Amino acid sequence: DSGVTQTPKHLITATGQRVTLRCSPRSGDLSVYWYQQSLDQGLQFLIQYYNGEERAKGNILERFSAQQFPDLHSELNLSSLELGDSALYFCASSPPGADTQYFGPGTRLTVL
Amino acid sequence: AQSVSQHNHHVILSEAASLELGCNYSYGGTVNLFWYVQYPGQHLQLLLKYFSGDPLVKGIKGFEAEFIKSKFSFNLRKPSVQWSDTAEYFCAVTPMDSSYKLIFGSGTRLLVRP
Repeated sequence: DSGVTQTPKHLITATGQRVTLRCSPRSGDLSVYWYQQSLDQGLQFLIQYYNGEERAKGNILERFSAQQFPDLHSELNLSSLELGDSALYFCASSPPGADTQYFGPGTRLTVL
Repeated sequence: AQSVSQHNHHVILSEAASLELGCNYSYGGTVNLFWYVQYPGQHLQLLLKYFSGDPLVKGIKGFEAEFIKSKFSFNLRKPSVQWSDTAEYFCAVTPMDSSYKLIFGSGTRLLVRP
């Protein structure tokens, strides 16, 4: 157990819908990262937040957005879902100034 | 663009065989290097990491990796694999910019036959 929690574990929804994935970082970690793992794209970095501020953006679609709240938990919002958005979405956290990321168990999103 | 290449996509070994998984990265600046493992149905776990110093780093579960700067490589090794090492292995780098985002290779699926 890495100390990073993600909810829900599984999510099944339909095309065109909107979902919210939640991540709680390890105690004391200020950075939260979101990654998408799919069969065709592999593991891709989506976005990073540090202490509430967006720090870096990767291959994140405009239909996707994220935020980090004052209690440091983060949410990834996916809207106008398409079949190709079906994937495992991982959250990771890291302590201030540190380069090691600790991953949560992931949310498996299935879009039907 | 920054990239990580793992040339072996699938590896099948018998127990007690030696393992070497290749990893090469493309980035002109300083990087930190990682190997992560993903056991079936589980999340990513850190096996080992290299930031600086001795280029031969030892990780958990008997794994080690060697950083060869001139070859831009960070190969993972284990002298004797076990059935429980069956998993997917990911090499990753973080360029030393402000974000520390991980850039992953495509992964290597290792199957260890008892």
